[in-house]
Amino acid sequence: AQSVTQLDSQVPVFEEAPVELRCNYSSSVSVYLFWYVQYPNQGLQLLLKYLSGSTLVKGINGFEAEFNKSQTSFHLRKPSVHISDTAEYFCAVRKAAGNKLTFGGGTRVLVKP
Amino acid sequence: GAVVSQHPSRVICKSGTSVKIECRSLDFQATTMFWYRQFPKKSLMLMATSNEGSKATYEQGVEKDKFLINHASLTLSTLTVTSAHPEDSSFYICSAEAGTSVDLNTQYFGPGTRLTVL
Repeated sequence: AQSVTQLDSQVPVFEEAPVELRCNYSSSVSVYLFWYVQYPNQGLQLLLKYLSGSTLVKGINGFEAEFNKSQTSFHLRKPSVHISDTAEYFCAVRKAAGNKLTFGGGTRVLVKP
Repeated sequence: GAVVSQHPSRVICKSGTSVKIECRSLDFQATTMFWYRQFPKKSLMLMATSNEGSKATYEQGVEKDKFLINHASLTLSTLTVTSAHPEDSSFYICSAEAGTSVDLNTQYFGPGTRLTVL
């Protein structure tokens, strides 16, 4: 079975500063990787995904992530955050041959003015 | 594209009653739909996976007689919480996966339903 670890439960960051959210996974088979964002009392919105190809993936709202197979990581980055980026961020993994998502515990980003 | 809706967005009911939550894919056909439960400040827990026209597959520990799932069409799945009790209070989120090559292997989530059982 696969597992996902988000190393930081909370990340405070000042507006216009860069942010990196860490995600590590474990799996014995090929996987697809995803980052979702959840605003308060809302569902999840897909930020970006890695299925194959280039290991640097660009998503919506200026976010990007890099798949590193040797380190089994899929860290999310944004060079300059806005107040509106305050939300919960979830990393998720699924087996390439399956359809179930396994989620990390989430990272709460709080952007301060 | 890839919009998923849920109805209702929040519901309050009395203990012992049943509540039905609808999940619809608005602009695509969902070959598979998923139901999750999320506790406060926690991650999502998969409850069940449903494919159109067949019985849902429940995760271990999820009572299939309590959480009835119906996936009658490629755009609609329903979750019925039967004989609800206060411990069933939670945020329920559905997701849908399209069968097209563009959105292959990607789940799109609904906005969630907040259930409060008194």
